Amino acid sequence: GAVVSQHPSRVICKSGTSVKIECRSLDFQATTMFWYRQFPKQSLMLMATSNEGSKATYEQGVEKDKFLINHASLTLSTLTVTSAHPEDSSFYICSARDRNRGPRYGYTFGSGTRLTVV
Amino acid sequence: QQQVKQSPQSLIVQKGGISIINCAYENTAFDYFPWYQQFPGKGPALLIAIRPDVSEKKEGRFTISFNKSAKQFSLHIMDSQPGDSATYFCAASFNNDMRFGAGTRLTVKP
Repeated sequence: GAVVSQHPSRVICKSGTSVKIECRSLDFQATTMFWYRQFPKQSLMLMATSNEGSKATYEQGVEKDKFLINHASLTLSTLTVTSAHPEDSSFYICSARDRNRGPRYGYTFGSGTRLTVV
Repeated sequence: QQQVKQSPQSLIVQKGGISIINCAYENTAFDYFPWYQQFPGKGPALLIAIRPDVSEKKEGRFTISFNKSAKQFSLHIMDSQPGDSATYFCAASFNNDMRFGAGTRLTVKP
């Protein structure tokens, strides 16, 4: 079945530094990848949608200069949190859609990255 | 704008009981309705999904009931087990737009 690998699973960084999170589709080609943020006991909030080779589309209220998304290949998307602050601490989750399956098929999620900014 | 409303927020069920989670959507363009199960510290995993051209789908102990006219769908977990304790999210999607419900924290007591 479709597998999405997300790395790292946990990261602690100092305020002001940048952190990169990788999302890879292991056994399929992802036309589109999505990045979500989830606060404790809350739902998933879509941050941005990225199509391979194109600029990401950000949801309203998400700072594109702070959350840099790169989707350079059909199997890899990265999210870089720049100049991280404690309020950026959260659980970040990626998901991917298989380009060979129709739009009515679901997304496969990564296992998430717990970011803690100290 | 909350496009998918989910209830209840939390649910406690005895082992062997039936867990029922309900969702309602607004956008009639949605054409795919999945349910995801999420354990703490993990990403959501697809549990079961339905399309609007059927009214019910069953996979093992999990059943989705879908009411297109009412724009509602629900998840039923039969013979609930402690291992089912998790957060469940309903979702609705159209093309690349997927919207999630707020989630239901299910606890199955032994």
